[in-house]
Amino acid sequence: EAGVVQSPRYKIIEKKQPVAFWCNPISGHNTLYWYRQNLGQGPELLIRYENEEAVDDSQLPKDRFSAERLKGVDSTLKIQPAELGDSAVYLCASSPEGESYEQYFGPGTRLTVT
Amino acid sequence: GQSLEQPSEVTAVEGAIVQINCTYQTSGFYGLSWYQQHDGGAPTFLSYNALDGLEETGRFSSFLSRSDSYGYLLLQELQMKDSASYFCAGDNYGQNFVFGPGTRLSVLP
Repeated sequence: EAGVVQSPRYKIIEKKQPVAFWCNPISGHNTLYWYRQNLGQGPELLIRYENEEAVDDSQLPKDRFSAERLKGVDSTLKIQPAELGDSAVYLCASSPEGESYEQYFGPGTRLTVT
Repeated sequence: GQSLEQPSEVTAVEGAIVQINCTYQTSGFYGLSWYQQHDGGAPTFLSYNALDGLEETGRFSSFLSRSDSYGYLLLQELQMKDSASYFCAGDNYGQNFVFGPGTRLSVLP
């Protein structure tokens, strides 16, 4: 069984530029999560999807961040414009419906904003 | 709100037993999960406590006491490969999921 796939693995951009991250969850997993993890800290939930519906986006900075999961499968997280403080690892995870306690994480995208 | 606290670092020797504590303040909290993350890697699921008490999975055990807002992860027969960060994470009845700050475990030979 293939795991959670994310791309790109690394991204370096200048501040004020846009950036997008892509995630393909494990097949059959209805729930998809985007997290941001700063060095030495725990993952911070940005948004959670149940199928194509965003059910928790309370921590998503909506002035510059957007996300979509149009067909309830893969998802894209976008930042526009990026700021220096956005440098972090962006993790995507998925879980079967009703089993949010056991999440499967992708390898993450390490974003550096210069 | 929901927040979890963990010690920032723990050090132990190979073959020993170590306990990583997690305390939390929350309203409507349901269960506690534990994840392991090696440097540069992704978090991987270790265990989950939906009920009070001890859950055992091989060398790892996890405990939860909701009345005390407290849980811990117990690692036995420590191996060098157990050196990693360990996160507790709270499940607020499936409404949201909050990770603790993590505990960095160093296993010495």
